[in-house]
Amino acid sequence: EVQLVQSGAEVKKPGESLRISCKGSGYNFTNFWINWVRQMPGKGLEWMGRIDPSDSYTNYSPSSQGHVTISADKSISTAYLHWSSLRTSDTAMYYCGRRQAGGEAFDVWGQGTIVTVSS
Amino acid sequence: DIVMTQSPDSLAVSLGERATINCKSSRNVFYNSNKKNYLAWYQQKPGQPPKLLIYWASTRDSGVPDRFNGSGSGTDFTLTISSLQAEDVAVYYCQQYFSIPRTFGQGTKVEI
Repeated sequence: EVQLVQSGAEVKKPGESLRISCKGSGYNFTNFWINWVRQMPGKGLEWMGRIDPSDSYTNYSPSSQGHVTISADKSISTAYLHWSSLRTSDTAMYYCGRRQAGGEAFDVWGQGTIVTVSS
Repeated sequence: DIVMTQSPDSLAVSLGERATINCKSSRNVFYNSNKKNYLAWYQQKPGQPPKLLIYWASTRDSGVPDRFNGSGSGTDFTLTISSLQAEDVAVYYCQQYFSIPRTFGQGTKVEI
């Protein structure tokens, strides 16, 4: 079964660092870009960026650029989203989504990781 | 950035009736070289991740019931649920993947 499994919920303080993960299974991880999507409480979907796991090439949204880092370790089929200094406004659900084969839509999604940042 | 605007923000439809959601992009998302519209529709139920329904504006993803139909081209698109079922209660999002950054509409909540 093709799936993306994300790491568990996190509670952090402002200024702390954090890395959440997204592990792919059931397919060749290096063949499919992984996207990260943010959903703030009660709000819509916002694309943050993506990574090509084969060579770790990345794209970011303007609002994410410089605030988060997307990386991947293809040896363990895992993509990461990293913050070096969290803000309270980073409180949200974060999803990873796989770019589909032969297309660009996101056909497989992780279950989500909820991140709470509060002093 | 391409701005995606959905209408309405919410709608209530009776069981078995048609639901229509519109999505307008601020720029053309039709790619002339392959004649495809770079637009997808997703369904998100409470407490769940989004689910891909439609890609290339009108192609249903595997396993998606045929009551879900996507149409449109260029800048104007529509998702139609031909006969609403109870399990279709959800928020629906359009998304363009024509350019970076990828952008989503604000969502349309469908209720019974």
